[in-house]
Amino acid sequence: SYELTQPSSVSVSPGQTARITCSGDVLAKKYARWFQQKPGQAPVLVIYKDSERPSGIPERFSGSSSGTTVTLTISGAQVEDEADYYCYSAADNNRVFGGGTKLTVL
Amino acid sequence: QVQLVQSGAEVKKPGASVKVSCKASGYTFTSYDINWVRQATGQGLEWMGWMNPNSGNTGYAQKFQGRVTMTRNTSISTAYMELSSLRSEDTAVYYCAREEFDPWGQGTLVTVSS
Repeated sequence: SYELTQPSSVSVSPGQTARITCSGDVLAKKYARWFQQKPGQAPVLVIYKDSERPSGIPERFSGSSSGTTVTLTISGAQVEDEADYYCYSAADNNRVFGGGTKLTVL
Repeated sequence: QVQLVQSGAEVKKPGASVKVSCKASGYTFTSYDINWVRQATGQGLEWMGWMNPNSGNTGYAQKFQGRVTMTRNTSISTAYMELSSLRSEDTAVYYCAREEFDPWGQGTLVTVSS
């Protein structure tokens, strides 16, 4: 098995840039995805293949990768972006989520 | 639009089994795997396994091997996840999600309590 490590929390003021990292050896070989989850709701895919954005996701969400770390960047974070964010990757038959990062925007 | 609709909340006693359904619409059910993920209250996401609706092939996370069974009924575009030998630690919201985890079902709360 393998692990993905995220910071437990990140805090920014509205309009600032929020960066959430995710680290794990598997990320050097496999793509990552990012999910946003608001309280009481199912997760929503916001980034796939490290940096691709699904249709309907605002342009302020972007992703990048370097070695064993991937980063979710929210440029000009809005109050409505406050949520839990999870990274994810897969290798062979194993799929794993990071522990999640609570983003506070206030 | 692509949609996954799950069955309603369940309350089970320790030792019992639960079977959660996930009905797909808006796409060809047999063309995409279904994943199952759970989330205990206040905790993170935990991947449980996947199923290929076309072949019925499955792959389970090691933690759930022997306790989880994923099946499907292609005639009604529905996937199922059955978890047996329930214990209190299995209390969680259970989600299905299409192959690339887009989209997700709305979640099913399973409560295990004596």
